[in-house]
Amino acid sequence: SQQGEEDPQALSIQEGENATMNCSYKTSINNLQWYRQNSGRGLVHLILIRSNEREKHSGRLRVTLDTSKKSSSLLITASRAADTASYFCANRAQKLVFGQGTRLTINP
Amino acid sequence: EAQVTQNPRYLITVTGKKLTVTCSQNMNHEYMSWYRQDPGLGLRQIYYSMNVEVTDKGDVPEGYKVSRKEKRNFPLILESPSPNQTSLYFCASSLIGTGYNSPLHFGNGTRLTVT
Repeated sequence: SQQGEEDPQALSIQEGENATMNCSYKTSINNLQWYRQNSGRGLVHLILIRSNEREKHSGRLRVTLDTSKKSSSLLITASRAADTASYFCANRAQKLVFGQGTRLTINP
Repeated sequence: EAQVTQNPRYLITVTGKKLTVTCSQNMNHEYMSWYRQDPGLGLRQIYYSMNVEVTDKGDVPEGYKVSRKEKRNFPLILESPSPNQTSLYFCASSLIGTGYNSPLHFGNGTRLTVT
């Protein structure tokens, strides 16, 4: 299966701390995407990093991609209670394959 | 506002009663797809469509049908629903573009319960 794996499955931190989530995948990819899902709602695209990129920033988000290790990480800096959600990575080869997600809880 | 609209948001039905979940997007996207989300199994693709009149099976197509008669609409049809199709369903769309470097836009989901 192409399905990626995310680590950790759940993460609980205090507001203001940084949150790091990791994602691994199995095949060569065109790009890797991160999505956020608030409880029971649709996924929202956060950031896309292409296979020839190593790092990308968007506001408080920083994504890295290491194609030699087939892994990516998402860093959320200065977390807020509103960042509480599930975060999914999705790797794109011929099709987009989603990981199982990291459930992030930010405690006030 | 650019969006993917799914209806209904919640649906409770009985085994064997045909149902349709509608999906419409207003972004002129070529690509549309249906996913189901189940605890412990993540997001799995049911069917997708690269353009009008072009549909293909995803990873879990059994028990489902789709059609793409117009670019904006991509309904999901369950001809004879069964309890194992109880799930949270998402429609999504995107441009195709070069290298598939376009993000997916998701609807808000349809929570289906089959008793």
